[in-house]
Amino acid sequence: GESVGLHLPTLSVQEGDNSIINCAYSNSASDYFIWYKQESGKGPQFIIDIRSNMDKRQGQRVTVLLNKTVKHLSLQIAATQPGDSAVYFCAERTSYDKVIFGPGTSLSVIP
Amino acid sequence: EAQVTQNPRYLITVTGKKLTVTCSQNMNHEYMSWYRQDPGLGLRQIYYSMNVEVTDKGDVPEGYKVSRKEKRNFPLILESPSPNQTSLYFCASSPGTGANEQYFGPGTRLTVT
Repeated sequence: GESVGLHLPTLSVQEGDNSIINCAYSNSASDYFIWYKQESGKGPQFIIDIRSNMDKRQGQRVTVLLNKTVKHLSLQIAATQPGDSAVYFCAERTSYDKVIFGPGTSLSVIP
Repeated sequence: EAQVTQNPRYLITVTGKKLTVTCSQNMNHEYMSWYRQDPGLGLRQIYYSMNVEVTDKGDVPEGYKVSRKEKRNFPLILESPSPNQTSLYFCASSPGTGANEQYFGPGTRLTVT
């Protein structure tokens, strides 16, 4: 597959443990914050988003936390599985039609 | 199957030879966008389109052109490719609810020598 994860922060997690991927954002005016997952050789895939007036949102096995005071976003993955191994991007929607992506974090799940 | 398709998937070309990368979506999405992905830089937006005949520059539009004559297609044109445009390119589309939930194509690996 395509290699896009060079020089990325890497998180290694034991299978079955919870993963926490962190992200700092820059624009206080962003109205949505989003997480994408990119598996090797594939395009990014939407995971979950959170509106700026919320501080927590849960999906299937994932939870996103937003701390606007320190401009910090995190993605928690419960009971991490080998299929969760991927690069994870946080992104911020700065206007209705514009999203800015972060550099990504590589998650490696140890069986 | 709902999807975004891109062609070609891989392309090696020489400096200055015009090329087009096609993108098509079958989900009737209004919003479409092109990104380039380079190691350590994440995805950077090149151009986007809110609807037919409406296009806008993203963060790195220099050296690229786009058109949106039909809702389903959004080709990326490099009139005179240069080596610094060697990259992995992604097309994406989104329903008319903003750019949050974008559906990405499989990517096009472009090498310009």
